[in-house]
Amino acid sequence: DAGVTQSPTHLIKTRGQHVTLRCSPISGHKSVSWYQQVLGQGPQFIFQYYEKEERGRGNFPDRFSARQFPNYSSELNVNALLLGDSALYLCASSLVAGLNTEAFFGQGTRLTVV
Amino acid sequence: AQSVSQHNHHVILSEAASLELGCNYSYGGTVNLFWYVQYPGQHLQLLLKYFSGDPLVKGIKGFEAEFIKSKFSFNLRKPSVQWSDTAEYFCAFFYGGSQGNLIFGKGTKLSVKP
Repeated sequence: DAGVTQSPTHLIKTRGQHVTLRCSPISGHKSVSWYQQVLGQGPQFIFQYYEKEERGRGNFPDRFSARQFPNYSSELNVNALLLGDSALYLCASSLVAGLNTEAFFGQGTRLTVV
Repeated sequence: AQSVSQHNHHVILSEAASLELGCNYSYGGTVNLFWYVQYPGQHLQLLLKYFSGDPLVKGIKGFEAEFIKSKFSFNLRKPSVQWSDTAEYFCAFFYGGSQGNLIFGKGTKLSVKP
């Protein structure tokens, strides 16, 4: 069974640029969440989507946006990149949204902003 | 704000030593509790989870954790660690119903000496 897949695995961007990260959830999973993990910290919640609707948003600026497609895959977009956006971006999929649901994580996309 | 506190930043043990990693969360309502492990170069994997019922939960690779509601704690234990347990361990809790998200601790790096 394919797990959560993310692309690309690594990315280098320049300050001010835009980036799009992609995530394909486990087949049958309808919820996708995005997390940012900076070095030395635990993952921080950015967005959750369920059935193509935004269900939750963490404390991130409006430069961050996301969407979920009819096939339940998802994109995370970050505009006007800052050096501080350098991090590992994790996608997690789960069967449904809410309590008593396990989240499965992808390998992540390592974004470096120079 | 909701948070998770992991008591140790870095733990160094010899093989066969016993392990206990502390975790406390701050939320008074219903939560799901998790321990995730991140082996070097690999994605976050679920070690064990608590949804309800028996507060002593067993996970993979001989790990277990005990939920003590009165102490808001979910400590991870293993009677005898192996070199292959070298990894970073993250405690997390889920709250908020269908619009909820995972809150992670900062992680504990475990180094096991052969």
